[in-house]
Amino acid sequence: KNQVEQSPQSLIILEGKNCTLQCNYTVSPFSNLRWYKQDTGRGPVSLTIMTFSENTKSNGRYTATLDADTKQSSLHITASQLSDSASYICVVSALGAAGNKLTFGGGTRVLVKP
Amino acid sequence: DARVTQTPRHKVTEMGQEVTMRCQPILGHNTVFWYRQTMMQGLELLAYFRNRAPLDDSGMPKDRFSAEMPDATLATLKIQPSEPRDSAVYFCASGLGTGYWTEAFFGQGTRLTVV
Repeated sequence: KNQVEQSPQSLIILEGKNCTLQCNYTVSPFSNLRWYKQDTGRGPVSLTIMTFSENTKSNGRYTATLDADTKQSSLHITASQLSDSASYICVVSALGAAGNKLTFGGGTRVLVKP
Repeated sequence: DARVTQTPRHKVTEMGQEVTMRCQPILGHNTVFWYRQTMMQGLELLAYFRNRAPLDDSGMPKDRFSAEMPDATLATLKIQPSEPRDSAVYFCASGLGTGYWTEAFFGQGTRLTVV
């Protein structure tokens, strides 16, 4: 069964500090992996998308890594800001006969405190 | 600026009533997704349209849910009859591409409460 597990479920960090979120998946055959940021009361916004051949991708202070061998991804937030307070969702796409299928992680809720 | 518009933003209804949620995708986008988000289940894909044709609605309970695109500027998600377990935030997203992995831009969502 295709699954995406994210850890931790939530975390609190001080403004200016770094943090790393984890995403482990059992989706197969793997197609792509995306990280979304979702502010409270708003729709998700895509941060990065990574294919099998990519192992690092950055978007400003967000850096995603992918290890397709161990089926793990991480999202690193550098020099956190109050606006980084949000839920971060990992979504993995599996190749299928009818096209890619999406499996969603449960998200990590990040709270940045001043 | 271009954005996905969903209406209503909030809806409270009684069990058994019909609920219709509307979505106006970004002009020119050919792909529309409907998602449901709850605290327990997280984000779930309900249906996926490309060029107004439904390509996958396997995530949607068929007995009470229906999704349509009457034209390129309007997508609807209907629940009839509604049940308390349908309470969730329903997101519409649109994109320009040919697959599930199309870059999707989400609307603000419709928060549905069925009492």
